[in-house]
Amino acid sequence: GAVVSQHPSRVICKSGTSVKIECRSLDFQATTMFWYRQFPKKSLMLMATSNEGSKATYEQGVEKDKFLINHASLTLSTLTVTSAHPEDSSFYICSARGQLTPINYGYTFGSGTRLTVV
Amino acid sequence: DAKTTQPNSMESNEEEPVHLPCNHSTISGTDYIHWYRQLPSQGPEYVIHGLTSNVNNRMASLAIAEDRKSSTLILHRATLRDAAVYYCIPASNTGKLIFGQGTTLQVKP
Repeated sequence: GAVVSQHPSRVICKSGTSVKIECRSLDFQATTMFWYRQFPKKSLMLMATSNEGSKATYEQGVEKDKFLINHASLTLSTLTVTSAHPEDSSFYICSARGQLTPINYGYTFGSGTRLTVV
Repeated sequence: DAKTTQPNSMESNEEEPVHLPCNHSTISGTDYIHWYRQLPSQGPEYVIHGLTSNVNNRMASLAIAEDRKSSTLILHRATLRDAAVYYCIPASNTGKLIFGQGTTLQVKP
């Protein structure tokens, strides 16, 4: 149990365009979802936390108008990178946890999305 | 958020046990100690987590110091598939996970 599907796995887009990344919990209701980005050979950096039906809470230094997060249902959260630029190229990863997740379960992560902006 | 200190890298031979240490001296009394691992170009994978008592599951064991300022992840018999970056993360059971630099584990055949 506790599977999170992230799509697409890879995307290449032109500078100035927007890209949407989806994160779905397949077999549980994800009351909270987290979005991370990771640069090569670096650790994961938390970007924002989203609770279903509420506005996302962004970490310091993360532009909320650039990284739009929507968590409209208990099984889907989306991250839209608006007006993407080459410096936005990174590995984006989502994570989810449900209110009813058993205490001995951890957080479930998606497989990540490699974004390349050209 | 509690800070963690982990060795940058460790090596192990296949089939041998591996002990991955983590210092988290500023951990709060209610934070769990989470361990995740990440293979290249993949999302992190849950390994184990615990609060005070030692924990065992099919993947690993977690030994938590009595004062909770440190913990050790134990892989009983390392395999080549265990080569990954291992992250130790103090966090509440429902709060956000803040990743440190982790330990890169190399497993030699």
